[in-house]
Amino acid sequence: AQKITQTQPGMFVQEKEAVTLDCTYDTSDQSYGLFWYKQPSSGEMIFLIYQGSYDEQNATEGRYSLNFQKARKSANLVISASQLGDSAMYFCAMREGEKAGGFKTIFGAGTRLFVKA
Amino acid sequence: ETGVTQSPTHLIKTRGQQVTLRCSSQSGHNTVSWYQQALGQGPQFIFQYYREEENGRGNFPPRFSGLQFPNYSSELNVNALELDDSALYLCASNHVQARSGANVLTFGAGSRLTVL
Repeated sequence: AQKITQTQPGMFVQEKEAVTLDCTYDTSDQSYGLFWYKQPSSGEMIFLIYQGSYDEQNATEGRYSLNFQKARKSANLVISASQLGDSAMYFCAMREGEKAGGFKTIFGAGTRLFVKA
Repeated sequence: ETGVTQSPTHLIKTRGQQVTLRCSSQSGHNTVSWYQQALGQGPQFIFQYYREEENGRGNFPPRFSGLQFPNYSSELNVNALELDDSALYLCASNHVQARSGANVLTFGAGSRLTVL
């Protein structure tokens, strides 16, 4: 069965420093997609970055990068040069069959990131 | 503006009542998913609709039901409300991100339900 594990309930980072949020996953499927979403206190989920299981390069989107280690089943999010506005909940998510419809996306429990000035 | 709108934003019900939450997504977004997010937890998948048919369901009882309409709107209905149903309910539609070709969820702002 699919499972997403985020072991860090809360993380602190100094403004302008980099931070890594951990995510491990479990699936028996060969084809899947991994996602990170940000949820500010307003509640809306914001898509950050995507990694396909067959992608050989780690995904990057601006200050966000995804450290994908397939053999270890990990998909850690790295935020470089943290900003105060990065303070939020961050969720790792997975969907099997990453380019097909009709499959559910499951989420981890989340990590709350606090950026200190 | 994400293109997914939900209503109402907040509502209060009492135990045993029924509630209908609504979602409207962008034209052409044929897949809609509903999630329940309890306070301090990650979103839990309720079900998914594709072209007006349910095509995936999470571990939720039958009193959670849904509909999807041809105009890309959808509903989540919950009967016989229980205290544990208090949560943020999120609607999401799928769209293909041009750069990666990935099927990405776009979420609405949610409906916060309180059951007393």
